[in-house]
Amino acid sequence: NSKVIQTPRYLVKGQGQKAKMRCIPEKGHPVVFWYQQNKNNEFKFLINFQNQEVLQQIDMTEKRFSAECPSNSPCSLEIQSSEAGDSALYLCASSLGWGGPYEQYFGPGTRLTVL
Amino acid sequence: AQKVIQVWSTTSRQEGEKLTLDCSYKTSQVLYHLFWYKHLLSGEMVLLIRQMPSTIAIERSGRYSVVFQKSRKSISLVISTLQPDDSGKYFCALWEPNQGGSAKLIFGEGTKLTVSS
Repeated sequence: NSKVIQTPRYLVKGQGQKAKMRCIPEKGHPVVFWYQQNKNNEFKFLINFQNQEVLQQIDMTEKRFSAECPSNSPCSLEIQSSEAGDSALYLCASSLGWGGPYEQYFGPGTRLTVL
Repeated sequence: AQKVIQVWSTTSRQEGEKLTLDCSYKTSQVLYHLFWYKHLLSGEMVLLIRQMPSTIAIERSGRYSVVFQKSRKSISLVISTLQPDDSGKYFCALWEPNQGGSAKLIFGEGTKLTVSS
């Protein structure tokens, strides 16, 4: 069973507020991914890290989203100014590597509701 | 355009039946991998099975197996002897390499399965 830990499980914010969620990857996994699953169950890749460095991110992440994976601390994804369209399930996944099809192990997700 | 297509959004079966979930994908890459995940009600995503294009067409893991038709770009998940605990949402995912070698998965929209006892 996956041991990727995500907190909080549920997050409710007003429009314009900051929303921050955290992820502890599976032990020994240096690569972390963040995905957004919207109400249509579509997955959207947001950003990924290897250790503390960003490997790849989409434009949305570059503008309003910030993410980091500091050494010896949980990874985090923060939305600087929440919008209604940000309401979604945010899934964190970790894997042993990148550049190859390493299995990604997922956490339970943080469900964000923006009122 | 969608790269991973799961035709059925929902389906229901009786306990003991056998189920096949279809998935088709689009890729121009030679090296790619396919995965089937189960999304539990708790939110956890569980990896069920992984298919590499170079391996045999049928992979198995417990009650789960896949039928992989590489030329048709199709991979079906087969669940034998359904149990109520099999209820959940099943996602097909495609991994294909990007420039720079980063890895990400492209998911289908998922199929919600309900198994009745």
